[in-house]
Amino acid sequence: GENVEQHPSTLSVQEGDSAVIKCTYSDSASNYFPWYKQELGKRPQLIIDIRSNVGEKKDQRIAVTLNKTAKHFSLHITETQPEDSAVYFCALSGNEKLTFGTGTRLTIIP
Amino acid sequence: DTAVSQTPKYLVTQMGNDKSIKCEQNLGHDTMYWYKQDSKKFLKIMFSYNNKELIINETVPNRFSPKSPDKAHLNLHINSLELGDSAVYFCASSQDYASDTQYFGPGTRLTVL
Repeated sequence: GENVEQHPSTLSVQEGDSAVIKCTYSDSASNYFPWYKQELGKRPQLIIDIRSNVGEKKDQRIAVTLNKTAKHFSLHITETQPEDSAVYFCALSGNEKLTFGTGTRLTIIP
Repeated sequence: DTAVSQTPKYLVTQMGNDKSIKCEQNLGHDTMYWYKQDSKKFLKIMFSYNNKELIINETVPNRFSPKSPDKAHLNLHINSLELGDSAVYFCASSQDYASDTQYFGPGTRLTVL
């Protein structure tokens, strides 16, 4: 099946600094790459996604970049705020399902 | 928001019991899913249904039996519960399967004693 690796598993960032989370994958047929944010005790919620026909997408302080040749995609959060603290999951499509990364616990230090 | 809802939110039960979790979506989506999230937060798909038809059964023990009475509902019945079944179970839905945004329910925390 599809394999997706997510790094780092934990990340602590000073408030106001940037955070970057990276995922690599092996199935070149994947064409949809969403990112989900899960706050403590809550459901995963989509924060941004990208399809394989674009290389970058931005939504305010959040951006996602995709490199299909190298098979990796990254989440960038700028000007981090305490409410950005959560677990972030990358995912990708393939075989009629989404396969999720192992998650990154992001902690914003005030 | 109640786009995807699940009941119950918490479920505590003894080993060996049988229990059910219900899921409903009012988004008009065709596809519904069950995920298991363990204590390490890994999110793993268990089943998906598209228009009441089983699409994915991800090597889940046959003690787990999903049922989709209509495309707005996907219930999960678990027989002979084991300690290892303790986890948070999330239902999700999407307009179509594979390359589409999935919306998650609030989760059901199952604890098997």
